Amino acid sequence: AQTVTQSQPEMSVQEAETVTLSCTYDTSESDYYLFWYKQPPSRQMILVIRQEAYKQQNATENRFSVNFQKAAKSFSLKISDSQLGDAAMYFCAYRSEETSGSRLTFGEGTQLTVNP
Amino acid sequence: GAVVSQHPSWVICKSGTSVKIECRSLDFQATTMFWYRQFPKQSLMLMATSNEGSKATYEQGVEKDKFLINHASLTLSTLTVTSAHPEDSSFYICSATTLPRDRDFYEQYFGPGTRLTVT
Repeated sequence: AQTVTQSQPEMSVQEAETVTLSCTYDTSESDYYLFWYKQPPSRQMILVIRQEAYKQQNATENRFSVNFQKAAKSFSLKISDSQLGDAAMYFCAYRSEETSGSRLTFGEGTQLTVNP
Repeated sequence: GAVVSQHPSWVICKSGTSVKIECRSLDFQATTMFWYRQFPKQSLMLMATSNEGSKATYEQGVEKDKFLINHASLTLSTLTVTSAHPEDSSFYICSATTLPRDRDFYEQYFGPGTRLTVT
């Protein structure tokens, strides 16, 4: 079974600064997706960014980018120019493309605080 | 973008009663819907996967007789918590997947969640 680990329960960053959230995963599969989701206080899950395992190029979405190290099974999220609205719980998630069902396996989450 | 709604957003029920939570895909047909449970400051735990017109697949440790899932149409799935007890109090989130818009990616959209409090 696949596992996803986020070793940082809490992180904080100053507004306008950069922060990196860590995620590692364990799998024997070669075809999968990785995701970062944001859950603000409203508790609505919001997709931040996704990465396909077959793509070597790291995904970017505006101020959000990932560092995908497939051999190391590492998938960190970098948030640049942090804004107060970035404060939320962030979840790393794994989805297999080799087994059916498109189910997600989530990490434990990292609570990000943005200080003004 | 695709929208998933849940109703109710918050429900309080007495111990021993049953409560039904609805999950609807408002502007797309959902081939598969998922039900998650989330305790405060914890991650989402998958409870079950449901496909329209077939029985739900429950995760290990989830009581299928207690958490009844019905996926009656491509836009509606319901979760019924039967004989609820205080330990069932939690935040329940559904999500739905669409048919792929591009070649091979199934997008998954989340509902806003339902807070269940059992007294």
